[in-house]
Amino acid sequence: AQSVTQLDSQVPVFEEAPVELRCNYSSSVSVYLFWYVQYPNQGLQLLLKYLSGSTLVKGINGFEAEFNKSQTSFHLRKPSVHISDTAEYFCAVRLGRAQKLVFGQGTRLTINP
Amino acid sequence: KAGVTQTPRYLIKTRGQQVTLSCSPISGHRSVSWYQQTPGQGLQFLFEYFSETQRNKGNFPGRFSGRQFSNSRSEMNVSTLELGDSALYLCASSLSGAAEETQYFGPGTRLLVL
Repeated sequence: AQSVTQLDSQVPVFEEAPVELRCNYSSSVSVYLFWYVQYPNQGLQLLLKYLSGSTLVKGINGFEAEFNKSQTSFHLRKPSVHISDTAEYFCAVRLGRAQKLVFGQGTRLTINP
Repeated sequence: KAGVTQTPRYLIKTRGQQVTLSCSPISGHRSVSWYQQTPGQGLQFLFEYFSETQRNKGNFPGRFSGRQFSNSRSEMNVSTLELGDSALYLCASSLSGAAEETQYFGPGTRLLVL
């Protein structure tokens, strides 16, 4: 069974600093990879997704992620964060043709002024 | 286009009762999935419906059930509520449920079981 590990439960950073949120997955078959963001009292919003092709994926709000097949990782990055990026971030995988998403435990990103 | 809507947004029930949550997908979307979000277990897949048929099911007891109507609206039902069923229940829709499609999430229904 596939699983997703988000290595940090909380990440505090200063405003305008770069940030990386780490995600590793385990699967022996091809996967589709996603990053979602959840703001307080809201549902999930898609930041970006990797289906195939270029391993560097650009998303909304200045975020990008790099798919690394050999390390089974899909880390999320942003070169300069803003207060408005304070939220919880979820990495998710979808195995093969299944619609079901398997989520990591989430990383709470806190931006300090 | 309107997004995914879920009703009610908040609900308080007592142990042993049953509850029905509703989800209206984005217009034109025919696949609806349900997830449970709790602090301890995180986000877990409940089930997915497409064309009024359950296509996939997660590892939840039979007390959790769902259905989908011909207009793609979906409901989920939890019978004999337990304290541990307190959670945020999220509904997500996509066009046809293909693996490469984006799932669009609603704001959720927060259920508190006392």
